[in-house]
Amino acid sequence: KNQVEQSPQSLIILEGKNCTLQCNYTVSPFSNLRWYKQDTGRGPVSLTIMTFSENTKSNGRYTATLDADTKQSSLHITASQLSDSASYICVVSGSYKLSFGAGTTVTVRA
Amino acid sequence: DTEVTQTPKHLVMGMTNKKSLKCEQHMGHRAMYWYKQKAKKPPELMFVYSYEKLSINESVPSRFSPECPNSSLLNLHLHALQPEDSALYLCASSPPLAGGSTDTQYFGPGTRLTVL
Repeated sequence: KNQVEQSPQSLIILEGKNCTLQCNYTVSPFSNLRWYKQDTGRGPVSLTIMTFSENTKSNGRYTATLDADTKQSSLHITASQLSDSASYICVVSGSYKLSFGAGTTVTVRA
Repeated sequence: DTEVTQTPKHLVMGMTNKKSLKCEQHMGHRAMYWYKQKAKKPPELMFVYSYEKLSINESVPSRFSPECPNSSLLNLHLHALQPEDSALYLCASSPPLAGGSTDTQYFGPGTRLTVL
């Protein structure tokens, strides 16, 4: 069964600090892995997308890594801002269907 | 135009009502999707349209009826819904790739549906 597991479930950080979110997957076949940011009550917005051959991808203060051998990915947020408060979802594409992680809820406090 | 729009933003309906959700994109994408998302849960795929034809129905109850009138529009017709159908309904689109795999899906803002 294709699964995507994210950790931690939630975290609270102070503005300006860094944090790292984890994603482990068992999706097969593997096409690509994406990180989405979803604000409460809004649709997910793509942050990064990585294929099998890519091991790091940056988008501003967001940096994603991928280890296709161990089937692990991480999303690092640098110098967090209040606007980073959201749910971050790891999504793995195998075939026609996306496998979604449950998300990590990040709360940034002043 | 690089966004997916959805209307209405919010919808409250009774169990005997008939309503429709609308989704529109002008990015030239030929794959469009409906997802249902409950609070604090990941989106669940409902339907996939590829080149205006229904290609995937994830065993969704018949009270949900999708329609793709053209390559830019996707509707979801609702009839005789239950309170447990209350959720955020997300539309997404993507340019389909060969072999059935999908490119990045662009999500709309969603319609918050409440069934009384």
